[in-house]
Amino acid sequence: AQSVTQLGSHVSVSEGALVLLRCNYSSSVPPYLFWYVQYPNQGLQLLLKYTSAATLVKGINGFEAEFKKSETSFHLTKPSAHMSDAAEYFCAVSVFQGAQKLVFGQGTRLTINP
Amino acid sequence: DGGITQSPKYLFRKEGQNVTLSCEQNLNHDAMYWYRQDPGQGLRLIYYSQIVNDFQKGDIAEGYSVSREKKESFPLTVTSAQKNPTAFYLCASSQQGPGYTFGSGTRLTVV
Repeated sequence: AQSVTQLGSHVSVSEGALVLLRCNYSSSVPPYLFWYVQYPNQGLQLLLKYTSAATLVKGINGFEAEFKKSETSFHLTKPSAHMSDAAEYFCAVSVFQGAQKLVFGQGTRLTINP
Repeated sequence: DGGITQSPKYLFRKEGQNVTLSCEQNLNHDAMYWYRQDPGQGLRLIYYSQIVNDFQKGDIAEGYSVSREKKESFPLTVTSAQKNPTAFYLCASSQQGPGYTFGSGTRLTVV
């Protein structure tokens, strides 16, 4: 069964530092992978998605993620953190079980220190 | 602009009451979903619907019910059988391909 593991429930970085949020997936077929961001008391907003095209995917707000099949990883990065990046981030894999569904990781809360 | 509207944003329920959360979309999407979010547990699928008048249980359907009488609407009822209903509820929709559009959520609190 497809699943997603996000390493680190909380990540803290300084403003201007590299952001790295880790996501590993388990899938028996080539996956579709997603990163979503959630601000407090709001819904989820799509940051980027991998759908078997280029392995390096660029998203909104300067984020990007690289699909590495050999490592079953889809880590999210941003070269320079901004205070507005503070939020919760979810990695998800798309599975087909009678219908297209998203299976989410546990989430990583990103804190930005001034 | 197209999107998903969830209402109300905040909802309070007394013990033993049923409450209904609204979800409306104008994206012309066929599929709709309800997720429950608890701190540290990610999102868990409650129910989903691929077409009008059809819906399926997700991973945590007990204590919940849904209907899909119109393509645009997918209301969720939290019944008195749901023992721990306090959570953040998210509605989503999708068209043929993978990936969802989410609403802004409803926070339900039992008082």
